[in-house]
Amino acid sequence: QKEVEQDPGPLSVPEGAIVSLNCTYSNSAFQYFMWYRQYSRKGPELLMYTYSSGNKEDGRFTAQVDKSSKYISLFIRDSQPSDSATYLCAFLFSGGYNKLIFGAGTRLAVHP
Amino acid sequence: DAGVTQSPTHLIKTRGQQVTLRCSPKSGHDTVSWYQQALGQGPQFIFQYYEEEERQRGNFPDRFSGHQFPNYSSELNVNALLLGDSALYLCASSLGSWGTGLTDTQYFGPGTRLTVL
Repeated sequence: QKEVEQDPGPLSVPEGAIVSLNCTYSNSAFQYFMWYRQYSRKGPELLMYTYSSGNKEDGRFTAQVDKSSKYISLFIRDSQPSDSATYLCAFLFSGGYNKLIFGAGTRLAVHP
Repeated sequence: DAGVTQSPTHLIKTRGQQVTLRCSPKSGHDTVSWYQQALGQGPQFIFQYYEEEERQRGNFPDRFSGHQFPNYSSELNVNALLLGDSALYLCASSLGSWGTGLTDTQYFGPGTRLTVL
């Protein structure tokens, strides 16, 4: 079983749609949960991170963590063409040593 | 603030050759991590440097080595290149806060795209 599973997509949606991106993980030692956005030919940039189970909102983005199910989600409301990118879930162990474990990424295209 | 910079942008090498990639961290950051991102995959952790020492290493062979300089910049060296080493190599910098459980955000550079023929 892979440590992190992420649907690679691609996902194509019309502008204004609600997008749901998901990852499952198997390692109970993961304590921090992150979402990175990567535009073509660029490095990943951190969108959101959470520590505990529950929801965290930032503008049009909502990150959701369910530790009991080992499942995390990123929701994008009112999606825009500028949201077209690859979204990577990432995980971090506690206790320092910030070695990120990434999912394979989901490619999202938002068309006008 | 220039952010994380990497050089070169692109590189083409042949099998068996050696390559050196360079990274300058974001101003104020003292920790550099290197990742390999194959096409269509997420980044894979190679190793991390702090205070000029390798602090931890991912599942990569000894052909991959690195160095951190007193100014916190870093190099990644790959010897005896294989076709499978073709990838985007990403450098990420952060400020080490050991023991708190979460260091500062990792900022990624644009990467160096290495093609091995």
